[in-house]
Amino acid sequence: NAGVTQTPKFRVLKTGQSMTLLCAQDMNHEYMYWYRQDPGMGLRLIHYSVGEGTTAKGEVPDGYNVSRLKKQNFLLGLESAAPSQTSVYFCASRPGTGGSYEQYFGPGTRLTVT
Amino acid sequence: SQKIEQNSEALNIQEGKTATLTCNYTNYSPAYLQWYRQDPGRGPVFLLLIRENEKEKRKERLKVTFDTTLKQSLFHITASQPADSATYLCALDENNNDMRFGAGTRLTVKP
Repeated sequence: NAGVTQTPKFRVLKTGQSMTLLCAQDMNHEYMYWYRQDPGMGLRLIHYSVGEGTTAKGEVPDGYNVSRLKKQNFLLGLESAAPSQTSVYFCASRPGTGGSYEQYFGPGTRLTVT
Repeated sequence: SQKIEQNSEALNIQEGKTATLTCNYTNYSPAYLQWYRQDPGRGPVFLLLIRENEKEKRKERLKVTFDTTLKQSLFHITASQPADSATYLCALDENNNDMRFGAGTRLTVKP
């Protein structure tokens, strides 16, 4: 089992460019999450999904979009990147209702917007 | 407004001592609270979960307490080792979906 994987590991964007971060999990988990982590601020939830085809906003959703077309994948899109989106992005997953609440995290994507 | 506060940004202790980390929250009524460990450059790793009706949970050298009246959780590492050096995050969830994390406490255990 690879667990949760994230692609890419690093990326540098210019302001206004777009990109998609890919998260994949092979644990058949229902729930998936995207977080950003900034120094001194901890992890903040961007968007999450409780199942294939569903998404919901978290604490800081502005400037991001997500899609969950397949159960194992959760995509995070930046349509027009801004320097304020420079951060480390983590994806996580967990089983659905009735399962463990423990979240499994990916290794992170370090994004710099210049 | 809702807040999750972890007592200090950094904590330094001597090997063999007990480390105690604090997580306080306001304007939440969590059903459970979790603690994670994060090493530099890596994603968080789950350690322990404690439910609102549990006072204490243990796992090997780790112990977590949860006081819903004080709105506080304490995380203890007994007989600490340099390998325990990491950042520890508390997280809580009110509605089973929307997890909120504290900023973390960076623990350094000195030999």
